[in-house]
Amino acid sequence: DIVMTQSPDSLAVSLGARVTINCKSSRTLLSSFNNKNYLAWYRQRPGQPPKVLVYWASTREPGVPDRFSGSGSGTDFTLTISSLQAEDVAVYYCQQYFSPPWTFGQGTKVEIK
Amino acid sequence: QVHLQQSGPGLVKPSQTLSLTCAISGDSVSSISVAWNWIRQSPSRGLEWLGRTYYRSKWVSDYAPSVKSRVMISPDTSKNQFSLQLNSVSPEDTAVYYCSRTTSASGDNWFDPWGQGTLVTVSS
Repeated sequence: DIVMTQSPDSLAVSLGARVTINCKSSRTLLSSFNNKNYLAWYRQRPGQPPKVLVYWASTREPGVPDRFSGSGSGTDFTLTISSLQAEDVAVYYCQQYFSPPWTFGQGTKVEIK
Repeated sequence: QVHLQQSGPGLVKPSQTLSLTCAISGDSVSSISVAWNWIRQSPSRGLEWLGRTYYRSKWVSDYAPSVKSRVMISPDTSKNQFSLQLNSVSPEDTAVYYCSRTTSASGDNWFDPWGQGTLVTVSS
């Protein structure tokens, strides 16, 4: 199985601050066939199921605010929130879909300082 | 817009079978190029994909190795839904269970949408 490891486990930042969440995979998620990275990011608010924010490592889901951006390639990826809003308090997860079984990171909890 | 509605008991006794159903609206369980998945979430195991079922001229189901010997995911075309059965449950199977869709025609295996989640507790 591909192991996904996120860092940090949690962080607290001020409203309007920049947030960076890292995700590292145990194997490359970059396909030599189509040059795409098979990685998605999700946000999970309390009491709700996860919601996809980004796929193909950097493609924002339609309707997701542009303060969310994904970057990275191969085994190292980043989700950035450019200016934290109150509604962004949640747990964020990365997920690989390069090779089954599909696996998730352990999550990063984002809080307001 | 696709909507998934889960149903099933919230309490299962140890050694018994956990059974959940996911009703689909806005899509068909028999759609080519999509797959129907079950995922669970617990504090100890995090988010864990359990398996999927999909139709590609015939029905195919595949499962995570961690549960492969105990799990079955199957479609019900007459009711446009799919179900999860997990046998021989133990307290370690206590989790919130979610159903979800992946659009897998071109490897688009991210999960969207999700069902509302069902907390299943395994306890006598």
